Amino acid sequence: QQPVQSPQAVILREGEDAVINCSSSKALYSVHWYRQKHGEAPVFLMILLKGGEQKGHDKISASFNEKKQQSSLYLTASQLSYSGTYFCGTGLDSGAGSYQLTFGKGTKLSVIP
Amino acid sequence: GAGVSQSPRYKVAKRGQDVALRCDPISGHVSLFWYQQALGQGPEFLTYFQNEAQLDKSGLPSDRFFAERPEGSVSTLKIQRTQQEDSAVYLCASSSETQYFGPGTRLLVL
Repeated sequence: QQPVQSPQAVILREGEDAVINCSSSKALYSVHWYRQKHGEAPVFLMILLKGGEQKGHDKISASFNEKKQQSSLYLTASQLSYSGTYFCGTGLDSGAGSYQLTFGKGTKLSVIP
Repeated sequence: GAGVSQSPRYKVAKRGQDVALRCDPISGHVSLFWYQQALGQGPEFLTYFQNEAQLDKSGLPSDRFFAERPEGSVSTLKIQRTQQEDSAVYLCASSSETQYFGPGTRLLVL
């Protein structure tokens, strides 16, 4: 039931692009992306809903392939501040206000000068 | 407050001690979640409240874990007779369209 994220870790130089993937074996209603820096809380980046609606960060984009139950997070022109561990959380329920999520193990992104 | 707050931020307990972890959600958020996060892992679901009702507690690892939200706002996660394997970060999140996390309580059981 836990979504699978890939890659597990990636190192980028400033300005480079990265793609982080999240896939599930279950039919998804929503995919939520978070970034967590060491010792801090996960911070919301983006939510993608079945049907195509997206809400989130201006500088980050993502896609949700409903047929394949896959989502990808696109980080372009990376900055040092992008470093952290990225988690996808998948939601199966469309009930308002619940969004019970199951999180992947995370992708550790390191951006170096 | 503007975000989810949790207290204490750090807790060291001797094995066998009881601990209580507090979560103050974002005002007006109906849904509240507790997660356990082990080092290097993603958050793992423990339990879920909608207002004061605990709708799902399937993730609680044992009957030593107990959560409550009596008035539908502040929630407390209680762990009785702590064990070393309980050492983790305990995250609380409250939800509107997505979940907003608190800073967590880092529990170390010696």
